[in-house]
Amino acid sequence: RKEVEQDPGPFNVPEGATVAFNCTYSNSASQSFFWYRQDCRKEPKLLMSVYSSGNEDGRFTAQLNRASQYISLLIRDSKLSDSATYLCVVNGGYSSASKIIFGSGTRLSIRP
Amino acid sequence: DVKVTQSSRYLVKRTGEKVFLECVQDMDHENMFWYRQDPGLGLRLIYFSYDVKMKEKGDIPEGYSVSREKKERFSLILESASTNQTSMYLCASSESGTGFADTQYFGPGTRLTVL
Repeated sequence: RKEVEQDPGPFNVPEGATVAFNCTYSNSASQSFFWYRQDCRKEPKLLMSVYSSGNEDGRFTAQLNRASQYISLLIRDSKLSDSATYLCVVNGGYSSASKIIFGSGTRLSIRP
Repeated sequence: DVKVTQSSRYLVKRTGEKVFLECVQDMDHENMFWYRQDPGLGLRLIYFSYDVKMKEKGDIPEGYSVSREKKERFSLILESASTNQTSMYLCASSESGTGFADTQYFGPGTRLTVL
């Protein structure tokens, strides 16, 4: 089983729709969770951190479910500019020697 | 704004050549990372460094080495390039001593092709 797993998609949704995708992780000791966004042929950029209490930033909501070991990203009122690959990122453990692990990404395509 | 720059956007090398990929960050970050990104595999950590002259292996260090002589510069070296090292190479940096709980800032990437 991969340490961090994402549905690769692509998710193809109309503009204005709400879309959500999950990311599961295998290490129950993981402490830090993030969503990064990567546009085509560009570098990844931090979208948002995921806190235990959840995190909302405008149209984006990130949630953490420790019991089931997954994080989620919800995008409301999707825009054409939301088309990108969304990378789930998990810190693999407690210590500073722990590694950040990237998921393979979920591709999202918003159609007019 | 944090800026991470990489020496080349595209590079074509021949099998057996020694290849140097350079990365420079301008925000005085302690931590620097080298990843490679391949379709379906995501980003995989090759090496990271949390201080000058310090380095630690990531998940896939075989065939690579690194050098960090100055805080702002982190170099990835392919001692003898092979075709299976054809990939997108991404450098990243982050601040703070914990290294992994902080935002990583990525460079634009170097697409390396080994013929």
